[in-house]
Amino acid sequence: KQEVTQIPAALSVPEGENLVLNCSFTDSAIYNLQWFRQDPGKGLTSLLLIQSSQREQTSGRLNASLDKSSGRSTLYIAASQPGDSATYLCAVYSNYQLIWGAGTKLIIKP
Amino acid sequence: NAGVTQTPKFQVLKTGQSMTLQCAQDMNHEYMSWYRQDPGMGLRLIHYSVGAGITDQGEVPNGYNVSRSTTEDFPLRLLSAAPSQTSVYFCASSTYSNSPLHFGNGTRLTVT
Repeated sequence: KQEVTQIPAALSVPEGENLVLNCSFTDSAIYNLQWFRQDPGKGLTSLLLIQSSQREQTSGRLNASLDKSSGRSTLYIAASQPGDSATYLCAVYSNYQLIWGAGTKLIIKP
Repeated sequence: NAGVTQTPKFQVLKTGQSMTLQCAQDMNHEYMSWYRQDPGMGLRLIHYSVGAGITDQGEVPNGYNVSRSTTEDFPLRLLSAAPSQTSVYFCASSTYSNSPLHFGNGTRLTVT
């Protein structure tokens, strides 16, 4: 059974730092992996989708990588800003379902 | 552009009551789904639909019913509310099941 883990559960860093969020999964047979952002009291916003054949995707200051063989994905945020404060969730599409991690709550201190 | 619209935003029910959470999307998406989100856990899939007239169960379907009579609407019915159903419910849609998901803003449900 596919399981998705995000560590740490919470992270607090000063503004301007580059940071990495981690996502690991137990079964490498995935179709794609998605990263989402969730703001308090809001729904989720899709940030990046990486197909299983890809190694990385970039959008602005965000870069997501995928290593299926090791069951890991990272979300790299460059030059962090207070507006990046949110919960970041990853989800893998596997066996026709999205399996979700519990998320990492990110706080960027001004 | 409305995207995915969920109503109501908040709801309080007594144990045993029934209600329907509404979800509508205006993007002509074939795939729609309902999730619940509980503290410290990932989202869990309740039910999903790959097109009008087609629905299927997800990971946690017990106590919930769905129907998909049109492409736009995908209501979630709680048959007899229980305290264990206290949660935040999200509706999401996408072109296909493996495409980027678009989420509504959620319904916070409390069952007393």
